[in-house]
Amino acid sequence: DTGVSQDPRHKITKRGQNVTFRCDPISEHNRLYWYRQTLGQGPEFLTYFQNEAQLEKSRLLSDRFSAERPKGSFSTLEIQRTEQGDSAMYLCASSLQAISTDTQYFGPGTRLTVL
Amino acid sequence: DAKTTQPPSMDCAEGRAANLPCNHSTISGNEYVYWYRQIHSQGPQYIIHGLKNNETNEMASLIITEDRKSSTLILPHATLRDTAVYYCIVRGGGSEKLVFGKGMKLTVNP
Repeated sequence: DTGVSQDPRHKITKRGQNVTFRCDPISEHNRLYWYRQTLGQGPEFLTYFQNEAQLEKSRLLSDRFSAERPKGSFSTLEIQRTEQGDSAMYLCASSLQAISTDTQYFGPGTRLTVL
Repeated sequence: DAKTTQPPSMDCAEGRAANLPCNHSTISGNEYVYWYRQIHSQGPQYIIHGLKNNETNEMASLIITEDRKSSTLILPHATLRDTAVYYCIVRGGGSEKLVFGKGMKLTVNP
């Protein structure tokens, strides 16, 4: 299966710790997106990359959040000094840029629990 | 904010067609209608998308009204595995992100 993969699938951490998540997109997809989903809500956009360039960031992405895609392939999302409000499912999606519209395919997500 | 309106929930009998409605009265001419679904604790799954014409793939059919202000996703023969939250999303106009609402919970009953 060559879908989007995310690691780890689950992460439990204590408040104040730093965590890092990894996303591997579908091969040859040049766009990569991060979303966050809390219980009972739909996913919310955080940021997206086209190749290695980070082109858009949501206001949800506070200074404690940083995302990278150093070689235009996999991406990492780091949360520093985690807070209980950061507990959520973090979703990654990828797509292949197209002239008209491109379809985003999602990974299974990383569920973060901050104690 | 999401540009679509969906009922919060719907039930369907197994083996019957499930018709999932979506209103998007403020849709612009260059915006697409996308449908995703999310089974509990999994990532959203792409179903189908369309601009003006009706579309069909192996999963579903998408019927878009002529004025494009509403659409219907049709699952022709619903199974228990189709129980999920379904999201109707309007996307385009230079915006790359997907804006999800709360979606609609479809429950397929045996």
